[in-house]
Amino acid sequence: EVQLVESGGGLVKPGGSLRLSCAASGFTFGTHSMNWVRQAPGKGLEWVSAIGSSGSSIYYADSVKGRFTISRENAKNSLYLQMNSLRAEDTAVYYCAREFSESFDYWGQGTLVTVSS
Amino acid sequence: QSVLTQPPSASGTPGQRITISCSGSSSNIGSNNVYWYQQFPGTAPKLLIYRNNQRPSGVPDRFSGSKSGTSASLAISGLRSEDEADYYCAAWDDSLSGRVFGGGTKLTVL
Repeated sequence: EVQLVESGGGLVKPGGSLRLSCAASGFTFGTHSMNWVRQAPGKGLEWVSAIGSSGSSIYYADSVKGRFTISRENAKNSLYLQMNSLRAEDTAVYYCAREFSESFDYWGQGTLVTVSS
Repeated sequence: QSVLTQPPSASGTPGQRITISCSGSSSNIGSNNVYWYQQFPGTAPKLLIYRNNQRPSGVPDRFSGSKSGTSASLAISGLRSEDEADYYCAAWDDSLSGRVFGGGTKLTVL
């Protein structure tokens, strides 16, 4: 059974940093691109970042470019999102999602990031 | 402001057929596949339609997708109370080099 479990969310002050993790199981992690998608409270979905199966292809939304860094460790079946210079507008539930045939076919349960003083 | 435009709300009665539209541009829907996701409150989104009109296993055939030019639609026939949820369209955008989502449509079953 495919499982994606995010962790690392919490309360952080504006300008602070946080590192999210996503532990994957139930599939061959190293053969899938992975993504982060976020959802601000009461708002819609916003794609954040993507990383190819080997880590060589990386994409970011303009809203996080230069502040967030996506990475992965295939040997540990893990996906990460390093978030720096956090802003109030980064407050959201962050989901990791497996990519299959261009779609996001499996999602984690999400981890809440709150940026507030 | 979302790159893909969806109506914020839609409604229908049980048994009815409804459609949800998703409007984009030549850099996203016009040149790439469209995907639809269903989300219930407090839960993660679920893939509903991939590659414009394909259903993952387990998705009822009451759900169908279509695409024409720079627009796409999700149709739900035989509407049921359990279909009440938020629906999002998504596509790759060549200009942005990233995924874009619609703002979401809240479906109410009256």
